[in-house]
This record gives sequence, C-alpha cells and structure tokens, in this order.
Amino acid sequence: AQKVTQAQTEISVVEKEDVTLDCVYETRDTTYYLFWYKQPPSGELVFLIRRNSFDEQNEISGRYSWNFQKSTSSFNFTITASQVVDSAVYFCALSVGGSYIPTFGRGTSLIVHP
Amino acid sequence: SAVISQKPSRDICQRGTSLTIQCQVDSQVTMMFWYRQQPGQSLTLIATANQGSEATYESGFVIDKFPISRPNLTFSTLTVSNMSPEDSSIYLCSVALGFGEKLFFGSGTQLSVL
Repeated sequence: AQKVTQAQTEISVVEKEDVTLDCVYETRDTTYYLFWYKQPPSGELVFLIRRNSFDEQNEISGRYSWNFQKSTSSFNFTITASQVVDSAVYFCALSVGGSYIPTFGRGTSLIVHP
Repeated sequence: SAVISQKPSRDICQRGTSLTIQCQVDSQVTMMFWYRQQPGQSLTLIATANQGSEATYESGFVIDKFPISRPNLTFSTLTVSNMSPEDSSIYLCSVALGFGEKLFFGSGTQLSVL
C-alpha cells in the first residue's frame, strides 16, 4: 500500500521568508510518480509538478523548487521569498506504476502574512 | 490537457434532499473520478466513473448514497442523496489522461447541508 505523510499541518510565515513543505512517501513499487498540487482559497486544485521515480534531479521554477531524495523517500517543496499569494493548502501525492489514482497527503496549509 | 466545468459551484441544501453535481470535460477521457474534501481534510476518493458500466466505489461509499452517471466520455454526474449535515463538504471531479499522469480538477462544489 502507498502512503504520503505531510507532517506539517499549518505553517505561518511573514512575506519574503523562505519556507519548505515536507513530504515523505512510502511505496514498494519501483516505478512511481510524485506530485504537488496547490489549493488556493478559491478551492480549485492547481497542478505544480510531477516527478517520476527514475528522475532524482531537483527542479526549480521561479521561486519554487523541489528536492527529491529517494534515499529518504522525500519530495520536499521550497518557496523562496514567499508572497501573500502563496497562501494556500499544498498537497503532495503519490501514484504508483499502472494506476490512474494517486494517494494524497493530508495537506499543509501555508499562511503568508504581509 | 483537459478543461473541466463543474457546477454548481456551491449550494445550501436542506437535510433529506438530494443534489446532483455535473462535470463536463472539453475532451473525451476514459477515467473520471469523484472526490470529497471535508473541511480541513485531504481528498478522499468516492468513486471512479466508468463510461458504459457501473461506477467503482471506494470503501465507505455506496451507490445508494452517491449514485453516479457516466453517459459518455465527456460528462458525469454525482448525486448526493438524502443529505445530512455530515455531507457538508467540497466535492470535486477530476480526470486523468494516463497512468501516472497529473489529475485535472474541476473547480469544486461547496455543499452545505442545514
């Protein structure tokens, strides 16, 4: 069975601070995919990134960066110089090979204060 | 890519009544899913909506309570029947375009049951 743990329920920062959202996953499959989604107050889930298990390269997209480490089964997400618009619930998800359906973590609520 | 139109966006209903949520996709997709997100919680899969066959329900969800229709490859409905306040949640439809691919989500239906 698969499992995704987002231990941080809520994080509160002040604008311009850097913040890291943790994600730890469990699976016995060697082929799997990891995702991050953002859910702003409007409610719609927005896809941020997808990573497959064979690609451990870290990725940077503007102020967002992701650190994938198979050795620790982690796929952490860092926002640099946070902004109020980053306030949202962020979900990490895991999909194993052959499945359409991901397992979602419980989400981390990020609050960025001006 | 897939664009999903979901309606209604929100509704307030009386207990004992039923609400049907519609989900329209701008392209033909095989796999459609219905999720429930209770306040402050993660996404819980209700069922997979299969075109031309009965929906596949997850543990804890039954067809009598959450009947689903999937008349074609671009449309699905979820009905929440005989509602109680415990059904107050956000309901989301989503589609997947392939194994391990990201999910596309509708904007969600915020349901409040009085």
